Amino acid sequence: AQKITQTQPGMFVQEKEAVTLDCTYDTSDPSYGLFWYKQPSSGEMIFLIYQGSYDQQNATEGRYSLNFQKARKSANLVISASQLGDSAMYFCAMREALSGGYNKLIFGAGTRLAVHP
Amino acid sequence: GAGVSQSPRYKVAKRGQDVALRCDPISGHVSLFWYQQALGQGPEFLTYFQNEAQLDKSGLPSDRFFAERPEGSVSTLKIQRTQQEDSAVYLCASSSRRDSTYEQYFGPGTRLTVT
Repeated sequence: AQKITQTQPGMFVQEKEAVTLDCTYDTSDPSYGLFWYKQPSSGEMIFLIYQGSYDQQNATEGRYSLNFQKARKSANLVISASQLGDSAMYFCAMREALSGGYNKLIFGAGTRLAVHP
Repeated sequence: GAGVSQSPRYKVAKRGQDVALRCDPISGHVSLFWYQQALGQGPEFLTYFQNEAQLDKSGLPSDRFFAERPEGSVSTLKIQRTQQEDSAVYLCASSSRRDSTYEQYFGPGTRLTVT
């Protein structure tokens, strides 16, 4: 069975500094995809970044980058130049392919990030 | 354009009551998912629709949970005879891709509290 592990219940960072949120995964499927979502206090899940298992380069989206280490089965999220608005819960997720040609997402327990001024 | 919307945003139910939670996906999105998020946890998959067909309901925790999407757009998650353990945020997500390989767009969720 596929599994996502986020070992940091909470993290804090000074404004304008970079922070790394850890995510490790377990799967026997050679083709998989990893996602990071942000969940502010308003509740909705906001897509941040995606990394496919066959992608040669680490994904980047603005201030977000994914440190993908396939051999270690880790997909850490790096946020550069943290802003106060980055304070939120962050979830790592993996798509699980199911019969019928569709996928569902398996989420980790999340990491709460607090950005301090 | 409009994102995924859910109503109500908050629902308080007495134990034993039936509730109905509504999801309006992004127009034209083929795939629709329901997730349950307990306090302090990540979302967990409940069920999946492709258009009006419910292709997977393996995550529904009991036969008290029922979901439908009769016309392939709006979906309703119904919980009968609510129990305290049903208290959670119920998230709906939609995707334009049949295989939802890329991002699913989430709604704001419905926070259900069973007293």
